[in-house]
Amino acid sequence: QVQLVQSGAEVKKPGASVKVSCKASGYTFTSYDINWVRQATGQGLEWMGWMNPNSGNTGYAQKFQGRVTMTRNTSISTAYMELSSLRSEDTAVYYCARGDVGSGSIDYWGQGTLVTVSS
Amino acid sequence: DVVMTQSPLSLPVTLGQPASISCRSSQSLVYSDGNTYLNWFQQRPGQSPRRLIYKVSNRDSGVPDRFSGSGSGTDFTLKISRVEAEDVGVYYCMQGTHWPWTFGQGTKVEIK
Repeated sequence: QVQLVQSGAEVKKPGASVKVSCKASGYTFTSYDINWVRQATGQGLEWMGWMNPNSGNTGYAQKFQGRVTMTRNTSISTAYMELSSLRSEDTAVYYCARGDVGSGSIDYWGQGTLVTVSS
Repeated sequence: DVVMTQSPLSLPVTLGQPASISCRSSQSLVYSDGNTYLNWFQQRPGQSPRRLIYKVSNRDSGVPDRFSGSGSGTDFTLKISRVEAEDVGVYYCMQGTHWPWTFGQGTKVEIK
């Protein structure tokens, strides 16, 4: 079965960077895009961007351009999302989610990683 | 960016009664290939989101048939024919037609 397993919770200081991992299993990692979506506590969902694990091509929402980097290691079927210059407003649960080919959609989600930014 | 507007934002429902959530987009969601990439997700308390519906009306495997999606262009609806206790949570629409993908604000379904 398809699974996306993310790394554990992080606490970071303002100005620091965080790197969240997402290990995929149960399907061919390079055949589906990986999206990243975040959710501040008690708030809605915000799409951050996508990565094609086969080519490494990425696309980021303008809000995160210059601060986010999405990468992958195909040998271990793992995607990464790094967010830099953290501020308190970046405190949120970050989800990786598999893109469903041909449906403009997301079909499977990771369990989420809480990133807390606090001095 | 395409703005997705859901209503209502809070929906108290009696068990066994129907429920309906509206989602309107600021632009048509019909893509150049003729498809409409409108999705619905359910997020139960403390859980990751789960997709219920894709391309307006296609139910995912394992989703009860009391859930249905409809609509076209800019106006979409998620209906629950008879609400059950397990349906409590927040429901989001999401468009995958225009860059960047965007979500509605969410509708919280609770039992009266």
